[in-house]
Amino acid sequence: NAGVTQTPKFQVLKTGQSMTLQCAQDMNHNSMYWYRQDPGMGLRLIYYSASEGTTDKGEVPNGYNVSRLNKREFSLRLESAAPSQTSVYFCASSERGTGANIQYFGAGTRLSVL
Amino acid sequence: RKEVEQDPGPFNVPEGATVAFNCTYSNSASQSFFWYRQDCRKEPKLLMSVYSSGNEDGRFTAQLNRASQYISLLIRDSKLSDSATYLCVVSPQGSWGKLQFGAGTQVVVTP
Repeated sequence: NAGVTQTPKFQVLKTGQSMTLQCAQDMNHNSMYWYRQDPGMGLRLIYYSASEGTTDKGEVPNGYNVSRLNKREFSLRLESAAPSQTSVYFCASSERGTGANIQYFGAGTRLSVL
Repeated sequence: RKEVEQDPGPFNVPEGATVAFNCTYSNSASQSFFWYRQDCRKEPKLLMSVYSSGNEDGRFTAQLNRASQYISLLIRDSKLSDSATYLCVVSPQGSWGKLQFGAGTQVVVTP
């Protein structure tokens, strides 16, 4: 019953370093998402992938890139980390269809950029 | 103006009492509505979807008022385990993948 798995759970970076956050889901969902959550703000969409082979920008894409590696995996890359990217990052997945878009979340990655 | 607004709270509630709070949304064409629950330092989890006619799930009741563009959540007979942040989530029309999240309402149930 893994659901959505994110790695790593915690990370500390120095300004300018790069890293990739990994996300995998085992629910055979078509759509996957990356969000960031900052204090006092709702989750904000960084990028999403409606289906394998497609990616689209969300509300706050600057400074990030994504790769939909296959149906299960969707990674988020920070090429040159900045202190403003200190946040909690959540990956989510959902089944694309005509019904409501119910999303299932991973446990999150807590990232600090010094 | 935020697209989904919530009173951040905290709502301090004695165990066994009832608590209710609202969320307002700005896009009148929004189609789907949800309440998610988020425990401290954990991921959001779906609590319930909100239907036009209102719906109930055990001690939780959700209502949708399209005319005034708000949804509400009522918790009856509050339990200590209900302490959490409740996120209001809205799905705009024509943007199936792009949910809009409120910042959350914190509920603290006290013994």
